[in-house]
Amino acid sequence: DAKTTQPNSMESNEEEPVHLPCNHSTISGTDYIHWYRQLPSQGPEYVIHGLTSNVNNRMASLAIAEDRKSSTLILHRATLRDAAVYYCILQRYNQGGKLIFGQGTELSVKP
Amino acid sequence: GAVVSQHPSRVICKSGTSVKIECRSLDFQATTMFWYRQFPKQSLMLMATSNEGSKATYEQGVEKDKFLINHASLTLSTLTVTSAHPEDSSFYICSASDVGGEYTDTQYFGPGTRLTVL
Repeated sequence: DAKTTQPNSMESNEEEPVHLPCNHSTISGTDYIHWYRQLPSQGPEYVIHGLTSNVNNRMASLAIAEDRKSSTLILHRATLRDAAVYYCILQRYNQGGKLIFGQGTELSVKP
Repeated sequence: GAVVSQHPSRVICKSGTSVKIECRSLDFQATTMFWYRQFPKQSLMLMATSNEGSKATYEQGVEKDKFLINHASLTLSTLTVTSAHPEDSSFYICSASDVGGEYTDTQYFGPGTRLTVL
């Protein structure tokens, strides 16, 4: 399974943008980049995913490097409810949709 | 849309008993469901992949005779922890993939089941 590397923790101020980095230098051409987040004592929640192009949805934006060896999840205006563990995961198309979770980044948001 | 429920949300049982956890996709059909386990302060660990109408595929190191998985319909998968012991105490989470939806490779997660074995 292709591995991702994320910082263990990050801090942000409320109402400010947050950029969460993820390195995936061994990504293959058919790996999708997925982001999920998990609040304490809850199941993970889908945030966004992409393959090559940058993606936007109502929750966040995903910026993918041209060589695809890294990506950045962007929360445009952090709120207290965005405090969670954010997981960057590579999903290989021929593995039945499996997601292998790494340690993720714990984001704290200060008021 | 894309809601997944789990029942029960919390269960306490005695050592040696079996516990069944249900995972349901409420508003979509899921040919594939996944079961994860999460210990405190750790990440999710994939236990098995469950496909409707066929046997589950277990990850390396997961005992299939201890963690029985049944996926009898497109909206229901069950995980039975047999002869539970205190070391099986954990947070069990299921997820389901949306068949034919816009994001067929997206997983939707249940809220989790906290199992405590005394």
